Parts: sequence; structure tokens; C-alpha cells
Amino acid sequence: EIVMTQSPATLSVSPGERATLSCRASQSVRSNLAWYQQKFGQAPRLLIYNTSTRATGIPARFSGSGSGTEFTLTISSLQSEDCAVYYCHQYDNWCHSFGQGTKLEIK
Amino acid sequence: EVQLVESGGGLVQPGGSLRLSCTASGFTFSIYWMTWVRQAPGKGLEWVANIKEDGSEKHYVDSVKGRFTVSRDNAKNSLYLQMNSLRAEDTAVYYCARGRGTFDLWGQGTMFTVSS
Repeated sequence: EIVMTQSPATLSVSPGERATLSCRASQSVRSNLAWYQQKFGQAPRLLIYNTSTRATGIPARFSGSGSGTEFTLTISSLQSEDCAVYYCHQYDNWCHSFGQGTKLEIK
Repeated sequence: EVQLVESGGGLVQPGGSLRLSCTASGFTFSIYWMTWVRQAPGKGLEWVANIKEDGSEKHYVDSVKGRFTVSRDNAKNSLYLQMNSLRAEDTAVYYCARGRGTFDLWGQGTMFTVSS
């Protein structure tokens, strides 16, 4: 099983500032990496897939980068509605796995 | 409206069985892989199982292999998860999601608890 490790566990950022979330895979997942946003009490929402492709309706302030084992989700100018838990997800092999999540707080 | 609706949650005793259902509407269900993802209380997401469009391929996380079976009925636009030999650690909200690698549509989730 590929283990996905996200850092930091919690991130506190002021509105308008940049937020950078990291995800590391225990082995290469090539570009088969997605990011999900989950707000309290809601189902997850797809933000980014194939490492850097924004899903339909996702604002341009969300961007993804990386390859192999190191990936980053960047929110360029944080909005209050971005308060959520963010999960990375690898789908490179038949057994998928999620990271443990990064909780993003607004200062 | 394009949506997924799960059902079948509740309270089950350890060692018991339960079947979850997920009904799709508003899109052509039969052309999509479908996936089950779970989330234990206060915890993160865990991929559980998926099934190919025609049901010919199925994959499971190791912790449920031999206990859970994913199936689908394309005529009824429905996805199922048969869960046997349930354990306390199976307690979670179970989501069905559309897709194999990327999940662009999720249900609202159904919760069940394994407890005596």
C-alpha cells in the first residue's frame, strides 16, 4: 500500500495570504494525485486531479503541482470560505489511498 | 438533478452484516466506475472499494478483503456494498463516489455503527 503523508497537520493563514499544503507519497504515484476539500459536516469536493488540473467550477486561486512523490496544493489568496480539511489522494495503483488531511484555519 | 444518495446505515452488532445502497440519478450510471470511501468519526478519508462500469473488475482495501463485496445493478442505477463479519473499526460514514481515480460526485454519506 502506498502511504500518503500530509503536512502540516494544521495550518493557520490570514485572509488574502498564500496557503501551501504538502503531500508526500511513500513511492512514486507519477501524476496520479488529486486534492479534495471537505468542509465540516459535508462530503468531500474534488479540487484538483492529475496533479494540476482544476476540477469544474474550482476557482483559479487553487493550484496543484509536483510529480512522483512530492506534491503541493497552493491557495494563492485565502478566502474565509476556504476553511476546511484538505486531503490528497493517490490513484496510481489498484489500491488507492488518502493522506491524513491538513486542517486549514483562517487567522 | 445529478446526485448520489446512500442508504442502509444504522446499528449493527460485531460479527453482523449490513448492505449499503447508493442510488444514482441525473447521469448515465452504467458508464462510470464507482467507488466507496469511508470516514470514521473524527478521522480522515479511507478508500474502501471500487467497481468497473460493467462489474467485471472489483478492488478492495486490504482491511475489508474477504468481508466486503461491492456490486452494482446498472438497470437500477444502483451501487451496493455488502459488509459481513463487521468489526468496531468499520464504524464510519460511508460515501459512494463517481469515478475510479478522481471522484467528481459524492453522495451525502450514510453512517453505521458496529457496537454491542
